[in-house]
Amino acid sequence: EVQLVESGGGLVKPGGSLRLSCAASGFTFSNAWMSWVRQAPGKGLEWVGRIKSKTDGGTTDYAAPVKGRFTISRDDSKNTLYLQMNSLKTEDTAVYYCTTVVGDVWGKGTTVTVSS
Amino acid sequence: SYELTQPSSVSVSPGQTARITCSGDVLAKKYARWFQQKPGQAPVLVIYKDSERPSGIPERFSGSSSGTTVTLTISGAQVEDEADYYCYSAADNIGVFGGGTKLTVL
Repeated sequence: EVQLVESGGGLVKPGGSLRLSCAASGFTFSNAWMSWVRQAPGKGLEWVGRIKSKTDGGTTDYAAPVKGRFTISRDDSKNTLYLQMNSLKTEDTAVYYCTTVVGDVWGKGTTVTVSS
Repeated sequence: SYELTQPSSVSVSPGQTARITCSGDVLAKKYARWFQQKPGQAPVLVIYKDSERPSGIPERFSGSSSGTTVTLTISGAQVEDEADYYCYSAADNIGVFGGGTKLTVL
């Protein structure tokens, strides 16, 4: 079964850091371009960033609100995608989803709350 | 940066045709995708490359494109199609979602 499972969410104070993980199974993760998408409470979907497969360069791109604070990485040996979030702000509070760039596979999401 | 604009809400009766539009300059040169999201659930891809339907998506879902506007059409909308719908596109290595449209079927 094709599956993505996020973990690592929680409550963090403004200015803090958190690392999210996304475990992939059921498909060739190393060939997949992967994205993170978030959804603030009661709001729409927001693209966070994307990482290409290593064979395609492994480069990353980010949305303007998170650029310089968030870092996407991958460990193909563990079939795992990561999102390192630093200098967190209250406006980063959201459910964070990992998904294939194509959008055909999504995880159930993990909740990040940034609050003092 | 660029934007995709959707109506905030669309309402139809069961069996009617629902049309949801998405407008943005980027759509003149880049494909769009459509996602369906029901409360408390992850999004589901219902249309890609403007008009292609993934396997498992009912035939009543279709997509079209004209200039800077793409349209999701649900022919014979059913109560279970009530959900939020988001268009998506990407250009210059940056992705963007439309603001979302709440489809009410009642």
